[in-house]
Amino acid sequence: RKEVEQDPGPFNVPEGATVAFNCTYSNSASQSFFWYRQDCRKEPKLLMSVYSSGNEDGRFTAQLNRASQYISLLIRDSKLSDSATYLCVVNPYSGGGADGLTFGKGTHLIIQP
Amino acid sequence: NAGVTQTPKFQVLKTGQSMTLQCAQDMNHEYMSWYRQDPGMGLRLIHYSVGAGITDQGEVPNGYNVSRSTTEDFPLRLLSAAPSQTSVYFCASSSRGQKNQPQHFGDGTRLSIL
Repeated sequence: RKEVEQDPGPFNVPEGATVAFNCTYSNSASQSFFWYRQDCRKEPKLLMSVYSSGNEDGRFTAQLNRASQYISLLIRDSKLSDSATYLCVVNPYSGGGADGLTFGKGTHLIIQP
Repeated sequence: NAGVTQTPKFQVLKTGQSMTLQCAQDMNHEYMSWYRQDPGMGLRLIHYSVGAGITDQGEVPNGYNVSRSTTEDFPLRLLSAAPSQTSVYFCASSSRGQKNQPQHFGDGTRLSIL
């Protein structure tokens, strides 16, 4: 069974701090990697794709380590609005299909004032 | 820009009843899929479709049927509802494109089976 593992947390972090969490995946042939954000009782929404060279989007930085088969998400200067569950998603195929797409169970982040 | 639209948002059924969860997307996406999300289980794929007229089973297909007669619509049918099917159901669509094509989710259907 292809798996994606995440620390469920919760991570309790003071506002303004930097927080990072990892996700490991078992399928070494995986092609595409994503971080999604899911607010309580809402649908998952794409936060960012993860590229081989790493990528940054504002306060968010994603890294991919193929050799160790993990991806990471770093959030700098955390805001109260960053409180959510972050889902790691791995796709063994290069296209957009859902088959094989594996979701982690999510890491719950709570930003405290 | 509607994106992925799911109806209904909430539904309560009695054991043994049947119903159809509707999903429509207006982005001309080839791929559509249904997931269920249960506490502690994460998102699990029920059925998916790579185009009109083509469907396939995901990880947890038992008790559900799908059809894809048009590119836009991908309804999920519960044949005989069971309490184990109490869950939040998400429909998603994505483009065929090369790499890093994300899933676009509807806002979910919360289903309770009594």
